[in-house]
Amino acid sequence: AQTVTQSQPEMSVQEAETVTLSCTYDTSENNYYLFWYKQPPSRQMILVIRQEAYKQQNATENRFSVNFQKAAKSFSLKISDSQLGDTAMYFCASLLRQGGSEKLVFGKGTKLTVNP
Amino acid sequence: NAGVMQNPRHLVRRRGQEARLRCSPMKGHSHVYWYRQLPEEGLKFMVYLQKENIIDESGMPKERFSAEFPKEGPSILRIQQVVRGDSAAYFCASSEGLATGELFFGEGSRLTVL
Repeated sequence: AQTVTQSQPEMSVQEAETVTLSCTYDTSENNYYLFWYKQPPSRQMILVIRQEAYKQQNATENRFSVNFQKAAKSFSLKISDSQLGDTAMYFCASLLRQGGSEKLVFGKGTKLTVNP
Repeated sequence: NAGVMQNPRHLVRRRGQEARLRCSPMKGHSHVYWYRQLPEEGLKFMVYLQKENIIDESGMPKERFSAEFPKEGPSILRIQQVVRGDSAAYFCASSEGLATGELFFGEGSRLTVL
């Protein structure tokens, strides 16, 4: 079974500082995708960043970057220059493909609060 | 290009009633997924559909829950004889297909069972 673990239920950071959210996963596949989703109080799931496992280079999207450690099965999210609008739940997810189906497997989330 | 549209956003039902949640995928997307989010939890996969076909329903409870994605019209998630434990946010996502690995989510439908 594919599992995703987020070990930090809550985190906080001061505005303009940098914060790193942890995620580990377990998969038997060789090629897979990993994602970070943001869920603000409005509850919509917003894709923050995605990583394809066969790519060595860590994905970057503006202030968001990942540290993808394939051997360690670790996929942490770094948010630089944190902004108040970054306050949200953050979910790590992996894409499981098997038998012609595909599904996202989510971690339980990390609640991030950015303080002014 | 409108995103994934879900309605209703909020639905209140009494125990024993039926709940119907609708999802219109993004234009051009023929793959629809339903996820359920219980309070303080991540999203859990329920079902994956393509037009007129259920591809994977391994996350659906065996009773009372059903889903469809007809040739015309939105995808429907139907919950019969709702119980309090069905109270949750139900999210729909759509994609162009397996190759892209990217799902686009709707804003969710929040079901409250009294």
